Amino acid sequence: AQSVTQPDIHITVSEGASLELRCNYSYGATPYLFWYVQSPGQGLQLLLKYFSGDTLVQGIKGFEAEFKRSQSSFNLRKPSVHWSDAAEYFCAVGGMAAGNKLTFGGGTRVLVKP
Amino acid sequence: EPEVTQTPSHQVTQMGQEVILRCVPISNHLYFYWYRQILGQKVEFLVSFYNNEISEKSEIFDDQFSVERPDGSNFTLKIRSTKLEDSAMYFCASSGTGGLTTNEKLFFGSGTQLSVL
Repeated sequence: AQSVTQPDIHITVSEGASLELRCNYSYGATPYLFWYVQSPGQGLQLLLKYFSGDTLVQGIKGFEAEFKRSQSSFNLRKPSVHWSDAAEYFCAVGGMAAGNKLTFGGGTRVLVKP
Repeated sequence: EPEVTQTPSHQVTQMGQEVILRCVPISNHLYFYWYRQILGQKVEFLVSFYNNEISEKSEIFDDQFSVERPDGSNFTLKIRSTKLEDSAMYFCASSGTGGLTTNEKLFFGSGTQLSVL
């Protein structure tokens, strides 16, 4: 069965500093990988996705993620964090074998210090 | 950007009561989903719906749950007899013509927070 692990429950980062959120997945075939962000009181917004091709994926709001098959990872990065990036971030995996469902990680809550 | 709309944003109910959570997916989408997130836990898949029938469901989606697309725009989740453990944020989502097995984007609504007392 597929699974996603986000090892960091909370991360605190200073505004302007870089951010990296870790995601490891388990999936028996070629994965489709996603990062979603959830601001308080809001729904899940897609930041970026990987289906195939270039393993470095660019997303919205200045985020990028790199798919590393050998490490079963899909870490999310942002070079310079803004206060508005404070939110909860979810990694998710899907794919042909998964049908039409995504499996989510437990999320990482990001706090941004002034 | 198009939106998935969910109503109500919050719902409080007594244990044993029936609740219906409502969603308006994006108009040209064909695949519809419900996910839920119990406080402090992962977002979990409940059910997917395509061509007026359930295409997949999880173990969570037992006989107490049902989904329906009563007209051309709404997609509902019904819980027949709510339990305390049904308290969660319920997210509706939709995707386009190919579903998630193709290069489709999944759009989520902002959720309905269900509290069962």
